[in-house]
Amino acid sequence: QQQVKQSPQSLIVQKGGISIINCAYENTAFDYFPWYQQFPGKGPALLIAIRPDVSEKKEGRFTISFNKSAKQFSLHIMDSQPGDSATYFCAASGNDKLSFGAGTTVTVRA
Amino acid sequence: NAGVTQTPKFRVLKTGQSMTLLCAQDMNHEYMYWYRQDPGMGLRLIHYSVGEGTTAKGEVPDGYNVSRLKKQNFLLGLESAAPSQTSVYFCASSLGLAGVSEQFFGPGTRLTVL
Repeated sequence: QQQVKQSPQSLIVQKGGISIINCAYENTAFDYFPWYQQFPGKGPALLIAIRPDVSEKKEGRFTISFNKSAKQFSLHIMDSQPGDSATYFCAASGNDKLSFGAGTTVTVRA
Repeated sequence: NAGVTQTPKFRVLKTGQSMTLLCAQDMNHEYMYWYRQDPGMGLRLIHYSVGEGTTAKGEVPDGYNVSRLKKQNFLLGLESAAPSQTSVYFCASSLGLAGVSEQFFGPGTRLTVL
């Protein structure tokens, strides 16, 4: 049973549009929430991460929104570009292990 | 720096055969991890190590063994491969705990068990 639930499984967005991926967790001991980006044939790579003491973190076109009371967090990709086409994984950790969501495949149409 | 490397990149096994996957990192990281990636299930932790000579079970350890004899290497063994172990295997390493440190992933090993 996955400790982090991620949706949607896939999404298609037009170039310049906004991609939104949502994740939810139950374990209140989680205190570190990273997002990883994976291109086909490659290993995942850290994209952006947040801790529960802030509600939002922005790095370039990527923003994490965090709702501690709802135990939910989301990734927003603004002005989506074809180069953003990849699989995105949310994750959560409270100690020495990461629990990953199932992944969202994002396709950006030119 | 090569980062995290994995050997081999691809492998096909018959049911019952054994094999070892090798992971090497040149970043002097203490922590190393083995994950498997299956469609619709994300990355699931098999085993991990918090330092040379240590290993611990992850989420899906059954059918796998690991060893960390040297700090830079983390080996994943399949003693008797089963079709259910067909997957893409990723090794990762980090400087500190998963809750504070970025994990760096290797390129993966695609394993097919017939």
